[in-house]
Amino acid sequence: GAVVSQHPSRVICKSGTSVKIECRSLDFQATTMFWYRQFPKQSLMLMATSNEGSKATYEQGVEKDKFLINHASLTLSTLTVTSAHPEDSSFYICSARDPSGQPQHFGDGTRLSIL
Amino acid sequence: QKEVEQNSGPLSVPEGAIASLNCTYSDRVSQSFFWYRQYSGKSPELIMSIYSNGDKEDGRFTAQLNKASQYVSLLIRDSQPSDSATYLCAVAREAGTALIFGKGTTLSVSS
Repeated sequence: GAVVSQHPSRVICKSGTSVKIECRSLDFQATTMFWYRQFPKQSLMLMATSNEGSKATYEQGVEKDKFLINHASLTLSTLTVTSAHPEDSSFYICSARDPSGQPQHFGDGTRLSIL
Repeated sequence: QKEVEQNSGPLSVPEGAIASLNCTYSDRVSQSFFWYRQYSGKSPELIMSIYSNGDKEDGRFTAQLNKASQYVSLLIRDSQPSDSATYLCAVAREAGTALIFGKGTTLSVSS
């Protein structure tokens, strides 16, 4: 079946570091990918919708200058957390829209810990 | 404000029993409904999708949708300890669009 690969699975870094997370659709072309964030014991919250070849659409309250999204190809979207701080520590999960219209496929997530 | 509401639980059932999970949503134009299972520290895994009113069965799982009541449920028959997880209800305006998730219901199945 369709698979979405997310890398890295875990990142631990110092405050002020920028971190890039990759989301790849392995066997289908994803014109749209979604980035979610999940804090402990909370649900997944949509951060932004990533569209290939155009600017991402950010949800209210999500800083577009802090969470940079690039969707330069039909199989890759990246999320860069710039100058990360401890409050950015969270579980970041991407999903990809299958062009056949089937339910979204989720990546395995990236656990980000900022010291 | 689009919202998806679930009881956080925990819902505790003995092995072999039926677990019933409920979800309500506020956006009346929603067309696609999903149940995901999430183990601690893992990404959500799709259990069921349902798009029209009524019941949909897949193995031990049955999803029920009532659009008039804006209500969707998941029944798990013959519950197993391996079913212990958090179950997330998710809603989308149409297939392929962003999902709005509930906070999840934690299910604990005791052996």
